[in-house]
Amino acid sequence: GENVEQHPSTLSVQEGDSAVIKCTYSDSASNYFPWYKQELGKGPQLIIDIRSNVGEKKDQRIAVTLNKTAKHFSLHITETQPEDSAVYFCAAKKATDSWGKLQFGAGTQVVVTP
Amino acid sequence: DAGVTQSPTHLIKTRGQHVTLRCSPISGHKSVSWYQQVLGQGPQFIFQYYEKEERGRGNFPDRFSARQFPNYSSELNVNALLLGDSALYLCASTLRGQGVNNEQFFGPGTRLTVL
Repeated sequence: GENVEQHPSTLSVQEGDSAVIKCTYSDSASNYFPWYKQELGKGPQLIIDIRSNVGEKKDQRIAVTLNKTAKHFSLHITETQPEDSAVYFCAAKKATDSWGKLQFGAGTQVVVTP
Repeated sequence: DAGVTQSPTHLIKTRGQHVTLRCSPISGHKSVSWYQQVLGQGPQFIFQYYEKEERGRGNFPDRFSARQFPNYSSELNVNALLLGDSALYLCASTLRGQGVNNEQFFGPGTRLTVL
């Protein structure tokens, strides 16, 4: 089955700096890669996603890049703010799996210090 | 509009008991998925239901079961609870079972503690 690895497990950044989280996946049949932000006591919130026919996608301070050949994708957060502090999860879905079957990484705890 | 809602928020059970967790999807969404999130880990897929039928199942024992009702709400049942079942149980809804732009939206979860 699909295996998603996520690094780093924790990331501390100064406010205003950039944060980068990297994920690798094992199954080349995966074609959908969402990123979720989870704040304490809440469920994961979709922040951005990318499909395998696209190499990069941006939404204001957030961007995701995908390298299908190397089977890795990354989340970039620019101009970080204290409210960006949360746990971030990458996920992958195979085209042949039911839509609900996302394979998640282990998560990255991001701490933005003022 | 309300998002995905789950009940109860918290639950404490003892080993061997049975538990039922409930989820209401976003209005208009017809697919519900259940995930288990153990502390410090990413969510693990348990089930997906679409139009009241099971459409996907993760690697969980038969003690875990679910169903979807005509109004698209769903229940997750866990029998013979084990200590290892302690986790946050998340429900996610999508508009359809498959297809493009079918993003998953998660509820706040039910925190289950098994003593």
